[in-house]
Amino acid sequence: DQQVKQNSPSLSVQEGRISILNCDYTNSMFDYFLWYKKYPAEGPTFLISISSIKDKNEDGRFTVFLNKSAKHLSLHIVPSQPGDSAVYFCAASAGGNTGNQFYFGTGTSLTVIP
Amino acid sequence: DGGITQSPKYLFRKEGQNVTLSCEQNLNHDAMYWYRQDPGQGLRLIYYSQIVNDFQKGDIAEGYSVSREKKESFPLTVTSAQKNPTAFYLCASTGGYFIGYTFGSGTRLTVV
Repeated sequence: DQQVKQNSPSLSVQEGRISILNCDYTNSMFDYFLWYKKYPAEGPTFLISISSIKDKNEDGRFTVFLNKSAKHLSLHIVPSQPGDSAVYFCAASAGGNTGNQFYFGTGTSLTVIP
Repeated sequence: DGGITQSPKYLFRKEGQNVTLSCEQNLNHDAMYWYRQDPGQGLRLIYYSQIVNDFQKGDIAEGYSVSREKKESFPLTVTSAQKNPTAFYLCASTGGYFIGYTFGSGTRLTVV
């Protein structure tokens, strides 16, 4: 059963506009969330994180929003650049009870059009 | 330069053979993980180890085995019992919960 879901397999955005990637989760015990970026045939690289005690975390062009009541998080990229074209995974964890394991969504492939 | 090294990058296996994927890290991380990625699916956990000489099954451990004899190394063996082994395999490690994972560059295994 997929505990973390990314319902949009792909997204296309014009360069300079905002990209919004969405993620939903089902386990209310999740308290830490990550976004990873992945290029083909490479391992994912960490992008940004958010703890459940916050509802927003910002790092440069990247902002993650967390809505705990809706069990929803989103990643905003502003402005989008062609180099942002990649697959983005969200991940969630409930901490030590599950070996600090992170559960991953299925990914959203972002294409930024120059 | 610290990181995780997975080898080989590409691996071909004949049906009925066991193969071992290597994962080495020099980050001094205690916890290591193996994930599998299939097209259209997220990363699914195969095995993880939080400390040397100890490991736990993940969601899809059947047909796989691991060992953790050294802190730096966490090899994964894909046995002949794994019915559909063709996939992209990712190894990860973490030095702590709020650090998240560092991933290797992956091994693509193909059964021929």
